[in-house]
Amino acid sequence: EAQVTQNPRYLITVTGKKLTVTCSQNMNHEYMSWYRQDPGLGLRQIYYSMNVEVTDKGDVPEGYKVSRKEKRNFPLILESPSPNQTSLYFCASARGLNTEAFFGQGTRLTVV
Amino acid sequence: AQTVTQSQPEMSVQEAETVTLSCTYDTSENNYYLFWYKQPPSRQMILVIRQEAYKQQNATENRFSVNFQKAAKSFSLKISDSQLGDTAMYFCAFMKHAGRDDKIIFGKGTRLHILP
Repeated sequence: EAQVTQNPRYLITVTGKKLTVTCSQNMNHEYMSWYRQDPGLGLRQIYYSMNVEVTDKGDVPEGYKVSRKEKRNFPLILESPSPNQTSLYFCASARGLNTEAFFGQGTRLTVV
Repeated sequence: AQTVTQSQPEMSVQEAETVTLSCTYDTSENNYYLFWYKQPPSRQMILVIRQEAYKQQNATENRFSVNFQKAAKSFSLKISDSQLGDTAMYFCAFMKHAGRDDKIIFGKGTRLHILP
Protein backbone atom coordinates (compact mmCIF):
# COMPACT_ATOMS: atom_id res chain seq x y z
CA GLU A 1 0.00 0.00 0.00
CA ALA A 2 1.30 3.43 -0.99
CA GLN A 3 1.80 5.50 2.10
CA VAL A 4 3.72 8.12 4.01
CA THR A 5 4.59 7.03 7.54
CA GLN A 6 5.41 9.42 10.34
CA ASN A 7 6.63 8.52 13.79
CA PRO A 8 5.80 9.14 16.51
CA ARG A 9 2.12 10.09 16.25
CA TYR A 10 2.19 11.83 19.61
CA LEU A 11 5.11 13.30 21.51
CA ILE A 12 5.40 15.35 24.67
CA THR A 13 8.86 16.68 25.42
CA VAL A 14 10.62 19.33 27.46
CA THR A 15 12.21 22.52 26.26
CA GLY A 16 15.70 22.03 24.89
CA LYS A 17 15.63 18.26 24.52
CA LYS A 18 16.58 17.33 20.97
CA LEU A 19 14.04 15.26 19.07
CA THR A 20 13.55 13.76 15.64
CA VAL A 21 10.29 13.03 13.85
CA THR A 22 10.77 10.44 11.16
CA CYS A 23 9.05 10.37 7.78
CA SER A 24 9.24 7.59 5.26
CA GLN A 25 7.48 7.04 1.93
CA ASN A 26 7.31 3.88 -0.17
CA MET A 27 6.33 5.44 -3.49
CA ASN A 28 9.80 6.40 -4.75
CA HIS A 29 8.72 10.04 -4.71
CA GLU A 30 11.34 12.67 -5.36
CA TYR A 31 9.58 15.51 -3.58
CA MET A 32 9.09 15.53 0.19
CA SER A 33 8.03 18.27 2.53
CA TRP A 34 7.26 19.12 6.16
CA TYR A 35 4.38 21.30 7.32
CA ARG A 36 3.13 22.51 10.64
CA GLN A 37 -0.55 23.11 11.20
CA ASP A 38 -1.72 25.64 13.75
CA PRO A 39 -5.28 26.84 14.44
CA GLY A 40 -6.20 29.76 12.24
CA LEU A 41 -2.98 29.55 10.25
CA GLY A 42 -3.55 26.55 8.01
CA LEU A 43 -0.53 24.54 6.93
CA ARG A 44 2.79 26.29 6.68
CA GLN A 45 5.77 24.73 5.00
CA ILE A 46 8.88 24.21 7.11
CA TYR A 47 11.31 22.57 4.69
CA TYR A 48 11.09 20.71 1.44
CA SER A 49 13.34 18.49 -0.63
CA MET A 50 13.37 18.00 -4.37
CA ASN A 51 15.64 14.97 -4.23
CA VAL A 52 18.38 13.24 -2.27
CA GLU A 53 20.78 15.74 -0.72
CA VAL A 54 18.66 18.67 -1.95
CA THR A 55 16.75 20.57 0.73
CA ASP A 56 15.30 24.09 0.84
CA LYS A 57 13.70 26.31 3.43
CA GLY A 58 9.97 26.81 3.41
CA ASP A 59 8.05 29.59 5.09
CA VAL A 60 8.86 28.80 8.72
CA PRO A 61 12.24 27.01 8.89
CA GLU A 62 13.59 28.61 12.07
CA GLY A 63 14.29 26.08 14.80
CA TYR A 64 14.14 23.08 12.46
CA LYS A 65 16.58 20.98 10.49
CA VAL A 66 16.05 18.27 7.91
CA SER A 67 18.13 15.80 5.99
CA ARG A 68 17.59 13.75 2.84
CA LYS A 69 20.27 11.10 2.73
CA GLU A 70 17.96 8.55 1.15
CA LYS A 71 15.06 9.08 -1.21
CA ARG A 72 12.50 7.45 1.03
CA ASN A 73 13.34 9.22 4.33
CA PHE A 74 13.02 12.84 5.32
CA PRO A 75 13.40 13.31 9.08
CA LEU A 76 12.54 16.55 10.85
CA ILE A 77 14.96 17.50 13.62
CA LEU A 78 14.34 19.94 16.44
CA GLU A 79 17.75 20.56 18.00
CA SER A 80 16.39 22.61 20.92
CA PRO A 81 12.60 22.54 20.96
CA SER A 82 10.70 25.46 22.42
CA PRO A 83 7.03 25.76 23.46
CA ASN A 84 6.20 27.76 20.31
CA GLN A 85 6.97 24.63 18.33
CA THR A 86 4.01 22.89 19.90
CA SER A 87 1.97 22.02 16.84
CA LEU A 88 0.62 19.35 14.53
CA TYR A 89 3.24 18.31 11.99
CA PHE A 90 2.66 16.70 8.61
CA CYS A 91 5.08 15.10 6.24
CA ALA A 92 4.13 14.88 2.57
CA SER A 93 5.59 13.40 -0.59
CA ALA A 94 4.83 13.79 -4.28
CA ARG A 95 6.05 12.23 -7.48
CA GLY A 96 7.17 15.55 -8.82
CA LEU A 97 6.07 19.00 -9.77
CA ASN A 98 2.36 19.75 -9.64
CA THR A 99 1.32 16.24 -8.70
CA GLU A 100 -0.84 15.09 -5.85
CA ALA A 101 0.79 15.29 -2.43
CA PHE A 102 0.39 12.29 -0.15
CA PHE A 103 0.37 13.13 3.53
CA GLY A 104 1.41 11.21 6.59
CA GLN A 105 -0.99 10.85 9.49
CA GLY A 106 0.48 13.71 11.44
CA THR A 107 2.53 14.08 14.62
CA ARG A 108 1.08 15.98 17.55
CA LEU A 109 4.06 17.57 19.33
CA THR A 110 3.81 19.29 22.70
CA VAL A 111 6.83 21.09 24.12
CA VAL A 112 6.53 22.02 27.80
CA ALA B 1 4.13 36.19 -3.53
CA GLN B 2 1.17 33.93 -3.88
CA THR B 3 -1.56 33.94 -1.25
CA VAL B 4 -4.64 31.79 -0.71
CA THR B 5 -7.66 33.09 1.19
CA GLN B 6 -10.53 31.09 2.60
CA SER B 7 -13.00 33.59 4.00
CA GLN B 8 -15.27 31.12 5.81
CA PRO B 9 -13.60 29.78 8.96
CA GLU B 10 -16.58 27.55 9.78
CA MET B 11 -19.82 26.39 8.13
CA SER B 12 -22.70 24.09 9.00
CA VAL B 13 -25.28 22.54 6.68
CA GLN B 14 -27.92 19.87 6.96
CA GLU B 15 -27.26 16.44 5.53
CA ALA B 16 -28.25 16.12 1.84
CA GLU B 17 -27.94 19.85 1.23
CA THR B 18 -25.49 21.42 -1.16
CA VAL B 19 -22.70 23.57 0.25
CA THR B 20 -20.12 25.80 -1.39
CA LEU B 21 -16.76 26.63 0.17
CA SER B 22 -15.03 29.71 -1.16
CA CYS B 23 -11.38 30.20 -2.00
CA THR B 24 -9.62 33.12 -3.64
CA TYR B 25 -5.98 33.40 -4.48
CA ASP B 26 -3.54 35.97 -5.65
CA THR B 27 -0.84 35.29 -8.19
CA SER B 28 0.84 36.82 -11.20
CA GLU B 29 1.43 33.40 -12.70
CA ASN B 30 -0.54 32.22 -15.71
CA ASN B 31 0.00 28.50 -15.32
CA TYR B 32 -0.63 26.86 -11.97
CA TYR B 33 -2.56 24.19 -10.14
CA LEU B 34 -5.27 24.44 -7.53
CA PHE B 35 -6.31 21.80 -5.05
CA TRP B 36 -8.88 21.13 -2.38
CA TYR B 37 -7.78 18.88 0.48
CA LYS B 38 -10.05 17.37 3.11
CA GLN B 39 -8.87 16.74 6.67
CA PRO B 40 -11.40 14.62 8.61
CA PRO B 41 -11.20 14.17 12.39
CA SER B 42 -8.69 11.38 11.80
CA ARG B 43 -6.32 14.21 10.68
CA GLN B 44 -5.43 12.49 7.46
CA MET B 45 -5.03 14.90 4.55
CA ILE B 46 -6.94 13.66 1.52
CA LEU B 47 -6.93 15.19 -1.94
CA VAL B 48 -10.49 15.95 -2.98
CA ILE B 49 -10.09 17.61 -6.35
CA ARG B 50 -7.45 19.16 -8.58
CA GLN B 51 -7.72 21.86 -11.25
CA GLU B 52 -5.16 22.90 -13.83
CA ALA B 53 -5.34 26.59 -14.59
CA TYR B 54 -4.99 26.17 -18.33
CA LYS B 55 -8.11 24.00 -18.45
CA GLN B 56 -11.33 25.97 -18.76
CA GLN B 57 -13.53 23.05 -17.83
CA ASN B 58 -14.31 22.81 -14.15
CA ALA B 59 -13.03 19.67 -12.45
CA THR B 60 -15.56 17.27 -10.96
CA GLU B 61 -15.15 14.21 -8.77
CA ASN B 62 -18.41 12.48 -7.92
CA ARG B 63 -20.30 14.80 -5.53
CA PHE B 64 -17.47 17.34 -5.53
CA SER B 65 -17.08 20.00 -8.17
CA VAL B 66 -15.34 23.31 -8.47
CA ASN B 67 -16.24 26.66 -9.92
CA PHE B 68 -12.95 27.94 -11.29
CA GLN B 69 -13.00 31.59 -12.32
CA LYS B 70 -9.49 32.37 -13.51
CA ALA B 71 -10.01 36.06 -14.16
CA ALA B 72 -11.52 36.53 -10.72
CA LYS B 73 -8.91 34.21 -9.14
CA SER B 74 -11.62 32.24 -7.47
CA PHE B 75 -11.76 28.49 -6.86
CA SER B 76 -14.83 27.44 -4.90
CA LEU B 77 -15.71 23.87 -3.95
CA LYS B 78 -19.27 22.62 -4.21
CA ILE B 79 -20.34 19.54 -2.32
CA SER B 80 -23.67 18.14 -3.51
CA ASP B 81 -25.91 15.85 -1.48
CA SER B 82 -23.68 16.36 1.55
CA GLN B 83 -23.08 13.39 3.84
CA LEU B 84 -22.12 13.09 7.49
CA GLY B 85 -18.71 11.79 6.37
CA ASP B 86 -18.04 15.11 4.67
CA THR B 87 -17.58 16.70 8.08
CA ALA B 88 -13.97 17.85 8.01
CA MET B 89 -11.58 20.72 7.66
CA TYR B 90 -11.15 21.73 4.02
CA PHE B 91 -8.02 23.40 2.71
CA CYS B 92 -7.66 25.18 -0.59
CA ALA B 93 -4.12 25.07 -2.01
CA PHE B 94 -2.13 26.64 -4.85
CA MET B 95 0.98 25.48 -6.65
CA LYS B 96 2.90 27.16 -9.47
CA HIS B 97 3.18 25.27 -12.71
CA ALA B 98 6.91 24.73 -12.72
CA GLY B 99 10.13 26.01 -11.34
CA ARG B 100 12.44 25.67 -8.42
CA ASP B 101 10.12 27.32 -5.97
CA ASP B 102 7.26 24.90 -6.34
CA LYS B 103 5.91 24.71 -2.83
CA ILE B 104 2.23 24.31 -2.17
CA ILE B 105 0.56 27.25 -0.45
CA PHE B 106 -2.46 26.49 1.70
CA GLY B 107 -5.34 28.62 2.86
CA LYS B 108 -6.24 28.72 6.55
CA GLY B 109 -9.01 26.20 6.11
CA THR B 110 -12.79 26.02 6.46
CA ARG B 111 -14.28 23.76 9.10
CA LEU B 112 -17.41 22.14 7.68
CA HIS B 113 -20.02 20.47 9.86
CA ILE B 114 -22.68 18.28 8.26
CA LEU B 115 -25.64 18.07 10.58
CA PRO B 116 -27.94 15.03 10.73
